[in-house]
This record gives sequence, C-alpha cells and structure tokens, in this order.
Amino acid sequence: QSLLTQPPSASGTPGQGVTISCSGSSSNIGSNIVNWYQQLPGTAPKLLMYGYHQRPSGVPDRFSGSKSGTSASLAISGLQSEDEADYYCAAWDESLNVYVFGTGTKVTVL
Amino acid sequence: EVQLVESGGGLIQPGGSLRLSCAASGFIFNNYEMSWVRQAPGKGLEWVSYISSSGSAIYYADSVKGRFAISRDNARNSLYLQMNSLRAEDTAIYYCAKDSSGLEHWGQGTLVTVSS
Repeated sequence: QSLLTQPPSASGTPGQGVTISCSGSSSNIGSNIVNWYQQLPGTAPKLLMYGYHQRPSGVPDRFSGSKSGTSASLAISGLQSEDEADYYCAAWDESLNVYVFGTGTKVTVL
Repeated sequence: EVQLVESGGGLIQPGGSLRLSCAASGFIFNNYEMSWVRQAPGKGLEWVSYISSSGSAIYYADSVKGRFAISRDNARNSLYLQMNSLRAEDTAIYYCAKDSSGLEHWGQGTLVTVSS
C-alpha cells in the first residue's frame, strides 16, 4: 500500500487544464522535496518535475508543480494529445528511509 | 549522452536467484547515487533499493529486505541487484535509475518473470 495517494484518473480536452493531487504525510511530502514522473505508454518513466517547481531540460512550461503542507499537485495547462500518460508523484520518507511513489494517475486527453 | 542499460532478466522458478546488471555511460558514474525501481505488469512504480555514490549507504524497500542486495562497481561503471528467494510477486520490469535531484535518467528496463 503506497504512502502517497493520487486520484486514479484525470481527463480533459485539448487546450484545457488538468491538476493531479498527491497526498502524503509529514514524514515524506511534509519534510522532503516532491518529484513527478511521466510514463508514456510502453516506455520507461521520465523525470518531469523535481524540487518544488524545477523542470528538467526539455520539459515544457505547461507543466508546473506546487506543494502545501503534506500535499503536492501537478498542473498541466494547454493539454495536448502527447500528454496522455501515467503520472506519479514521489518523495523520500525519512521515517522509513524509503523512496515512495504515488499510486499513479492516468491522464486521458478526450 | 547518459545511457543506462539493464541486463540479466529472464524466467526463473520461485525460490531461485538472479543477478541484474546496469551498465552506465555518459556521466561520471562514481559521482552519483543510483536506484532500482520495478513495475509489475499493469501496476504502478515501486522503488526497490538505493545506493550512495561510494556504496557506503544502502536502503531497501521492506518487500525485498533480506532477499535482495544492491551493489556497485565504480571501476566498471556498473550497478547490480542480486535477487534471492524470488517470489511470484517479484515479477516485474526492473529499471535502474541515476539519482540526482530525483531519478533523472532511467534505463529501458529488464523483465524478470518468476514462475514455475
């Protein structure tokens, strides 16, 4: 059972915005940075966001992250067909000394 | 260009052992922490293990503690995962990942199937 909870699915039409939530606890999100990963169908995951709102080179600024207390969010603006993927939040849990992934959210572009 | 290439996966009977390897190139391997992450068929991501750049700090998920062992050979730019007492629930694609401000580079994965 994952320590980080995400909604199983989210959807929107092209051009719309979508927000994915990630709920944790004081020992993981509350104490450490949150990373977000994107996994396109049939491919390896890719780091999408690190720290609070840092994007690796090549990640469009349509993706943004935020954190408040023990929760974090990933927002996608101007949804595009190529954004259809699974998205995972993740953070180090300092009580258990483990890196925890969220349950994952499948984003569908209608 | 950073490259991570996993190998060593395959079909193994329950209770058996397997050693996964990850060959790294395109970066100074001994400067970076590394991790193994797995994904069971149709399921989400599960972190397996972490090793510091020198190998002095190691952590495991509870699900593999006592059965799996992570190691690295900085002279060979290689990461390893020794998996013992394998169970059906260990069936997954295993990815190695370069750890820097998050798991910033991933290999393509190697499939481990535990079945009789």
